[in-house]
Amino acid sequence: KQEVTQIPAALSVPEGENLVLNCSFTDSAIYNLQWFRQDPGKGLTSLLLIQSSQREQTSGRLNASLDKSSGRSTLYIAASQPGDSATYLCAVAGSGGSNYKLTFGKGTLLTVNP
Amino acid sequence: GAVVSQHPSWVICKSGTSVKIECRSLDFQATTMFWYRQFPKQSLMLMATSNEGSKATYEQGVEKDKFLINHASLTLSTLTVTSAHPEDSSFYICSARGVTGGPLHFGNGTRLTVT
Repeated sequence: KQEVTQIPAALSVPEGENLVLNCSFTDSAIYNLQWFRQDPGKGLTSLLLIQSSQREQTSGRLNASLDKSSGRSTLYIAASQPGDSATYLCAVAGSGGSNYKLTFGKGTLLTVNP
Repeated sequence: GAVVSQHPSWVICKSGTSVKIECRSLDFQATTMFWYRQFPKQSLMLMATSNEGSKATYEQGVEKDKFLINHASLTLSTLTVTSAHPEDSSFYICSARGVTGGPLHFGNGTRLTVT
């Protein structure tokens, strides 16, 4: 059974800092990995999706890497802003016929202080 | 972009009553919709997968008679929590996949509180 772990559970940084969020998964046979943002009491916003054959994806100030063999992914946020404050979720999709069934981590609660 | 609308965004009900949550794909047709539940400080847990016109597939430990799922059209899936109890209080989120594949799109979730 796939398990996804996110470290740290919470992170507080001053505005402008670069930061890294970590995600690890136990079963390397994945279809893809996604990073989501969740604001309090809200749904999920997809940030980056990395296919299993890819090593990284970039969007603006965000960069996500994937090391499938070691079961790890990182989300790098450059020049953090208060508006980045949210919970960041990592989710992996299983390979084969279940490639749309996502297993989520518990998330990292990020607070960026002005 | 593709939008998934979930309604209601929050609901409070008394123990023993039933609550229906709707998930609609507004600008695309969704062959498959997924229902998740999220308890405080916990990860989203997949409850069931619903395919248009067929019975939903439930994850282990999820009572299908308690969480009724109907996916009657390509744009609407409903989750009915029957005989709700306080322990059913949670955040329920749906997601949808289009007929042409592509990424999953998530609704904004429904906060259910059972008193």
